[in-house]
Amino acid sequence: DIVMTQSPDSLAVSLGERASINCKSSQYIFDNSNKKNSLSWFQQKPGQPPRLLIYWATTRQSGVPDRFSGSGSGTDFTLTISSLQAEDVAVYYCQQYYNLPRTFGPGTRVDIK
Amino acid sequence: QGQLLQSGTEVKKPGASVKVSCKSSGYTFRDYYMHWVRQAPGQGLEWMGWIFPKTGGTYYAQKFQGRVTLTRDTSITTTYLELSSLTSDDTALYYCTRENWFFDYWGQGTLVTVSS
Repeated sequence: DIVMTQSPDSLAVSLGERASINCKSSQYIFDNSNKKNSLSWFQQKPGQPPRLLIYWATTRQSGVPDRFSGSGSGTDFTLTISSLQAEDVAVYYCQQYYNLPRTFGPGTRVDIK
Repeated sequence: QGQLLQSGTEVKKPGASVKVSCKSSGYTFRDYYMHWVRQAPGQGLEWMGWIFPKTGGTYYAQKFQGRVTLTRDTSITTTYLELSSLTSDDTALYYCTRENWFFDYWGQGTLVTVSS
């Protein structure tokens, strides 16, 4: 199984400041058939299901604000919130869809400082 | 815009089984894999398995093999998760989610509580 790790476990950032979350996979998740990294990022707020933010490691889902961006390749990935807003307080998960079983990172909690 | 609507809260006793439904709308039901993911209280996301509605083919996480069954009814565009031999460790929110390579649509979640 591909193990997904995230760092930090939690972070607190001032409003308008940058927040970055790291995600590492235990093996390469670069799909040679389409030349893309099979990695998603989700945002989950209390009482809500996960919301897809980013797929193929860097593609923003429709309707997601452009302050959210994804980067990285191979085994190391980053989700960046360029200017934190109050509504971004949530837990963020990375997930690989390179193979089965699908696996998620443990989550990173983002709060306002 | 696709939507997934799940059945309501369940309370079960240890040893019982539970069946949760997930009704799809707004897209071609048969063409997309449906996955199930659960989340214990205060915990992260745990993948359980998938079903391909077109064929009924399934794949289960090793942890749940022998205890989980995914089925579908194409006439009503609904998939089902059945989990047997419930213990308190199965208390969780259960989500269905559509695969479009990635998980793009999610149900609202169904809370299953296992308690004596």
